[in-house]
Amino acid sequence: DAEITQSPRHKITETGRQVTLACHQTWNHNNMFWYRQDLGHGLRLIHYSYGVQDTNKGEVSDGYSVSRSNTEDLPLTLESAASSQTSVYFCASKPGTGLSEAFFGQGTRLTVV
Amino acid sequence: AQKVTQAQTEISVVEKEDVTLDCVYETRDTTYYLFWYKQPPSGELVFLIRRNSFDEQNEISGRYSWNFQKSTSSFNFTITASQVVDSAVYFCALVILTGGGNKLTFGTGTQLKVEL
Repeated sequence: DAEITQSPRHKITETGRQVTLACHQTWNHNNMFWYRQDLGHGLRLIHYSYGVQDTNKGEVSDGYSVSRSNTEDLPLTLESAASSQTSVYFCASKPGTGLSEAFFGQGTRLTVV
Repeated sequence: AQKVTQAQTEISVVEKEDVTLDCVYETRDTTYYLFWYKQPPSGELVFLIRRNSFDEQNEISGRYSWNFQKSTSSFNFTITASQVVDSAVYFCALVILTGGGNKLTFGTGTQLKVEL
């Protein structure tokens, strides 16, 4: 069965370190997204991609970057982790039609100490 | 720019009560799509329903029903005879396609607690 997986599921890192969260989907969807979930803020869009070599900033992109070298993967990099980036991160993929639902990974809980 | 407002941060009900979760959206586009997702305590996001802007027909699925009203820009979700298993955070989301976009804009979510 097609799926979307995130790794790691949990990570603790130190302030200032570079961290990369992996996202891999097997649906062959062009659209992929990274969200962060924080209490009181719901899910906020960090970065997104509509295809290979395409990346775009979301509403909370500062301190984050993504790259899209193939259809299946959209890794999220925290250039220099900060305590404010402690959060739960969700990756999602979506077919090209607006009416199609997005499929979400299981989430990665990141703690920056 | 688009926006989704879920004004109810937390709702507590007793099992078997009916409960309505409100969702108000803002967009200038005439074509858009609305979604509801459920996030149970285990943390995953579960798709519940989608609706496009041209389909104002209400939908019922078991104990769940959705009321879409373009006149008030609302897409409310009602759970009839709530159960403890309905306890979760519920998110409403909006997709517009202007500019080639296909990303979901989420509301802040409503935490529903159903108690015995």
